[in-house]
Amino acid sequence: RKEVEQDPGPFNVPEGATVAFNCTYSNSASQSFFWYRQDCRKEPKLLMSVYSSGNEDGRFTAQLNRASQYISLLIRDSKLSDSATYLCVVNLNNDYKLSFGAGTTVTVRA
Amino acid sequence: DAMVIQNPRYQVTQFGKPVTLSCSQTLNHNVMYWYQQKSSQAPKLLFHYYDKDFNNEADTPDNFQSRRPNTSFCFLDIRSPGLGDAAMYLCATSMHRDSYNEQFFGPGTRLTVL
Repeated sequence: RKEVEQDPGPFNVPEGATVAFNCTYSNSASQSFFWYRQDCRKEPKLLMSVYSSGNEDGRFTAQLNRASQYISLLIRDSKLSDSATYLCVVNLNNDYKLSFGAGTTVTVRA
Repeated sequence: DAMVIQNPRYQVTQFGKPVTLSCSQTLNHNVMYWYQQKSSQAPKLLFHYYDKDFNNEADTPDNFQSRRPNTSFCFLDIRSPGLGDAAMYLCATSMHRDSYNEQFFGPGTRLTVL
């Protein structure tokens, strides 16, 4: 089993749609989770941190399901500018090291 | 604005010619990381500094070295770049090294090896 696994997509959605995707992780003891956004040939940018059951920031909602060991990201009212790769990042062993998923590509079309 | 800065943004070097990449931060974070990211792959941690304490990852080649002369600056030295070292090199920082550390990335240096 991969340490952090994401649906690679691509998710191709129209403007205004809702899109959601999941990420599974291997260590049930993991405590902290992050969603980063990475645009093509740019650096990852922190979108959201998740330490408890979930987090919400505007149109973005993250949910954590510890029993099933997955986190999800939901984007409401998609904008063209939401087109990016979304990286699921997990601090698997609760230390300094982050484990990255391979990313989920989202394309929002006009 | 507090930030992580990397220079240069693009670096071209010749096979075997040493190269140094630079990272600076105004966040006053204790930890600085260097990652290598190749096309369509996740970032791979090379090493990190916690204050002056250097921590190498087990699978980082000896060809890669790092220096942190002070809190604000950290350098990545590639002693003899090979074609396989062409990648984006990302510097990141975090306040602490524990479970809840959020890492903030610089814009990266894209290295080309000819």
